[in-house]
Amino acid sequence: ETGVTQSPTHLIKTRGQQVTLRCSSQSGHNTVSWYQQALGQGPQFIFQYYREEENGRGNFPPRFSGLQFPNYSSELNVNALELDDSALYLCASSLAGTRGSETQYFGPGTRLLVL
Amino acid sequence: KQEVTQIPAALSVPEGENLVLNCSFTDSAIYNLQWFRQDPGKGLTSLLLIQSSQREQTSGRLNASLDKSSGRSTLYIAASQPGDSATYLCAVRPRDNFNKFYFGSGTKLNVKP
Repeated sequence: ETGVTQSPTHLIKTRGQQVTLRCSSQSGHNTVSWYQQALGQGPQFIFQYYREEENGRGNFPPRFSGLQFPNYSSELNVNALELDDSALYLCASSLAGTRGSETQYFGPGTRLLVL
Repeated sequence: KQEVTQIPAALSVPEGENLVLNCSFTDSAIYNLQWFRQDPGKGLTSLLLIQSSQREQTSGRLNASLDKSSGRSTLYIAASQPGDSATYLCAVRPRDNFNKFYFGSGTKLNVKP
């Protein structure tokens, strides 16, 4: 049991809509990262939040945005959904300590289908 | 840009075999490399983390090696079991941008009873 939870588990939206995905970090972790995993591919880094500030971003457009709250839970928001946004969205939490050494603990993911 | 490749994409072996999964990366300036396991439709479970200064890590029947200069890592699974069936992913964290992981596409392993 990693302690990282995500909601909802599954979601169906139509093109052009907006979606919010939620992640609850493992207790004591102050960093959360979001990934998009298309079918048959490895996860692609979207962005990372550390102490409520964005702390690195991958090659995703601005319609992908996020928030981290004081309790270190997090949201991923996607506006103007496109068909290619259909994927498994994973969040991972970690404890920022010795730089780069921390292990990331992943949640079970939210599977998003855009029709 | 860092690119991570995993070969083979899929592997089917009989129970009890020892096997090796391969991961290669294009930029040797990494901070660490991590191997994960993913069961169908599920999140990732961390198996082994190797720091750039290390050559290998072991956990039970798993052994991961790292050759940074050649841009390669291997995951060795001894005495495979049907419960090892899953997709195995490797991910590298670059030294100049340690906030992000670059993942390979994974090796889908099937261990037949």
